[in-house]
This record gives sequence, structure tokens and C-alpha cells, in this order.
Amino acid sequence: DAGVIQSPRHEVTEMGQEVTLRCKPISGHNSLFWYRQTMMRGLELLIYFNNNVPIDDSGMPEDRFSAKMPNASFSTLKIQPSEPRDSAVYFCASKPAGASPDTQYFGPGTRLTVL
Amino acid sequence: GQQLNQSPQSMFIQEGEDVSMNCTSSSIFNTWLWYKQDPGEGPVLLIALYKAGELTSNGRLTAQFGITRKDSFLNISASIPSDVGIYFCAGQLGGATNKLIFGTGTLLAVQP
Repeated sequence: DAGVIQSPRHEVTEMGQEVTLRCKPISGHNSLFWYRQTMMRGLELLIYFNNNVPIDDSGMPEDRFSAKMPNASFSTLKIQPSEPRDSAVYFCASKPAGASPDTQYFGPGTRLTVL
Repeated sequence: GQQLNQSPQSMFIQEGEDVSMNCTSSSIFNTWLWYKQDPGEGPVLLIALYKAGELTSNGRLTAQFGITRKDSFLNISASIPSDVGIYFCAGQLGGATNKLIFGTGTLLAVQP
């Protein structure tokens, strides 16, 4: 059975460009999480959705970041314009309905490099 | 954002040695979790702890939920080369939130 799918796996872009990261959660899961991982700050929750609705976006760094979940099987994290300090690994995770938070399943991540 | 204090930052050991790492926080958590992350992959859950004082094992791994609910440790016995990776603790604050707070990670290297 497929796990959480993220694309692209690697992205290199120049400062000022728009970046879109994509996530397909595990089928049947109704919660979706976006995390950012850096050496300095570790793994941080950016935003999470329940039933396609954003519940907590307090971790979103600033207005340059936006996330959408148009349906239960797809979510995007967009950075516009991108900056070098956005370079990080971005993880998506999903969780079944009603399950405790420890049942989050992580995707393989997207490594973003902004030059 | 909020982080858990995890130590040590890194460990370099010989195969067969036991390993211990821990996490502390100024906040009280309802759940403590331990994850392992392999290079190029996302974190994978190893052990979940739900009650203060709980001691749980998963094979060679043992973890405990501290009595104060502000700390947890993970032990790995008889380490093997495939134990190499980064280990993270994570805590869930009280209430209905799905939000997890992650530790800073412990890099484990095991020499055959």
C-alpha cells in the first residue's frame, strides 16, 4: 500500500521564484500535516488540516507561505517569493480520522534549496 | 517555535554497546513519542508512551514516560549497524490538538 507521496523530492530554485510542494496523503486519512526540518530549528509543524480545513497555521513563518488542501487526496505548500533561508527539507504527514497524534505517517520529504 | 531539549546531540559507539538518550521540557505532555529518521526519509514512529511512569519496550528499544510528564528517555540495547540514524523525541500537549513538538534530535553512529 502506498505511503504518503511527496513531489518533487528535490527542488533547486533561485531567490524570488515561486515554489510549490505537493503531497498526496495515505488514502482514507483525514488529517494532513506540513513540517519543515532545518539543522538550526529541527522539525517544526507549519500547518495542519482536518477534513481539508486548516486547523492550526500558527507555524507558518510569514505571508510568503501558503498551504491548500482542495480535496482529501492532495495538498500543496507554496512559497512566493522564495528566499535562501527557506532552504530546508519539507515533510508532509497524514493521520487516520479519530486516531491519536502518534499515528502520523511521514512522507519522504522534499529537499528545497533556494540559491 | 517550541522545542524539546534532547541529549546527547550525537553518539558514536561500537556495535554491541547500549545507548541512552533523553528529552526534557518545561511543559507537561500527555503523550511522548520516539521516532527514527534514516537518511533521505521521513521520521518513523518507534515507541509511543501515554501515561506518566509508563515503561514500554519494542524489541531492543525501551522508553519511559517520566513521572513529572516533562521528560522521557529511550534506551537501545546491543546496538547494531542498522540502528544508525537520527532519533527524535516528540511530545503532545494536552487537549484535543494534533500538534506534536519535536526534540532537536540525536545522531547515532554505530561502528561495526
